[in-house]
Order: sequence, then C-alpha cells, then structure tokens
Amino acid sequence: QLQLQESGPGLVKPSETLSLTCTVSGGSISTTTYYWGWIRQPPGKGLEWIGNIYYSGSTYYNPSLRSRVTMSVDTSKNQFSLKLNSVTAADTAVYYCVRRDYPGDNAPFGDWGQGTLVIVSS
Amino acid sequence: DIVMTQSPDSLAVSLGERATINCKSSQSVFYSSNNKNYLAWYQQKPRQPPKLLIFWASTRESGVPDRFSGSGSATDFTLTISSLQAEDVAVYYCQQYYTTPYTFGQGTKLEIK
Repeated sequence: QLQLQESGPGLVKPSETLSLTCTVSGGSISTTTYYWGWIRQPPGKGLEWIGNIYYSGSTYYNPSLRSRVTMSVDTSKNQFSLKLNSVTAADTAVYYCVRRDYPGDNAPFGDWGQGTLVIVSS
Repeated sequence: DIVMTQSPDSLAVSLGERATINCKSSQSVFYSSNNKNYLAWYQQKPRQPPKLLIFWASTRESGVPDRFSGSGSATDFTLTISSLQAEDVAVYYCQQYYTTPYTFGQGTKLEIK
C-alpha cells in the first residue's frame, strides 16, 4: 500500500524559505501513471492546491504561488520536495503531499500524507 | 480559476437520516469528448488528511460505503449520505480537476443533530 510522509522544519522565519520533503513508500515514485503534488490547509480553513510534479521533473504550479514555488523529485531516494520562498504568516498551514493517478488525463488526489504543520513566525 | 461553492457551510442531521451537500462550479467541469464530469468529493475527519470518497462526480472510491453517493453534471453537484452514521461526522469538500489550478470548495461541516 502506497504511503506518503512529509518531513521538514515546523517553524520558518518570515522572508525565509520553507522546505519540505515527501518520502514515498510501498511504491515507486517513477511510476509513469502517477503524479505527485502538494496541497496546503491553513489552520481552520480550506484546501489550496500548490502544484504537481511528474517523476521526469515536469511541473505545473498554482499561478497564485508560481513565483515562489519550486518542486523537485529525487528518484534515487523515492522522494519529492517543495520549496516556497519569501514566506509570510499567510503561508502558515498544514502541508500535505499527495499522489494522483495519471491515466493520460486529470484525476483526483487518491493518496495523502498525514500532513505537517509549518508555522511562519519570527 | 474555477470557483467551487458549497452549500450549506454546516449541516446537522439526525442519525439514520439523509444528509445532502451541494457544490456549484463557476464554469462547467463536464468534458463532452469523454462524457465525464471532473468532480471529486473528499471527507476530512478531525486531525486527519482528506480522504477521496467519489470521483467522476458519481464513482465511489474502493472501500467507500454505498450510503455515500454523488450526482450532478456540468456545474451543479450533490453528495448524499443516505443514512447518517456517527462516523460520518466530518468536513466534506468538493474539488474540480477539470483544469489547473485545481480548486476546492470551502467545505461543509457535517454534525449529528
């Protein structure tokens, strides 16, 4: 069974870079029929899609965050990562790594990590 | 961006009764070439990640009880729980995956009356 686990600092200072890693177990990140991604949820609020990445490294990001987001994949470690720079308090959220199918088409998010809370504060 | 609007924001239903949650998209998420609605429903229980319940507007994910059903097309969708169980207390979200940026509704909080 595929499992995803987020890791990274739980506290980031304003204007610095948030960095998170998602480790995939129970399956290969190089599976051609999967896309990987990040979704965040501010405390007590709704869900915001951040972006997706394919094992090849191709990405697409939410335009609202595109200027600050970088995603990457490390197939040797079965991991993918998120960097969000110039963070502010508005970036405080639970960050989820996710998987969706890629049957040559869009698909919903079938697997989610447990999420990791990142607080932006000095 | 496609805006997803759910109603109501919160809902209290008695055990064993029907619960209905609505979701409206600001533009159609129906793709005529494959006759599919790119609409999913998720359930989020406290301190847990969301769980996919329904996709293509009406297809239940494996393992999801059949008391959960989805309906609708184009811009108007409904999630129905036919007989509410205590374990169904959660926040429910709809999501469009028709086009990026993928967007979610604001959520509907379902409680027991």
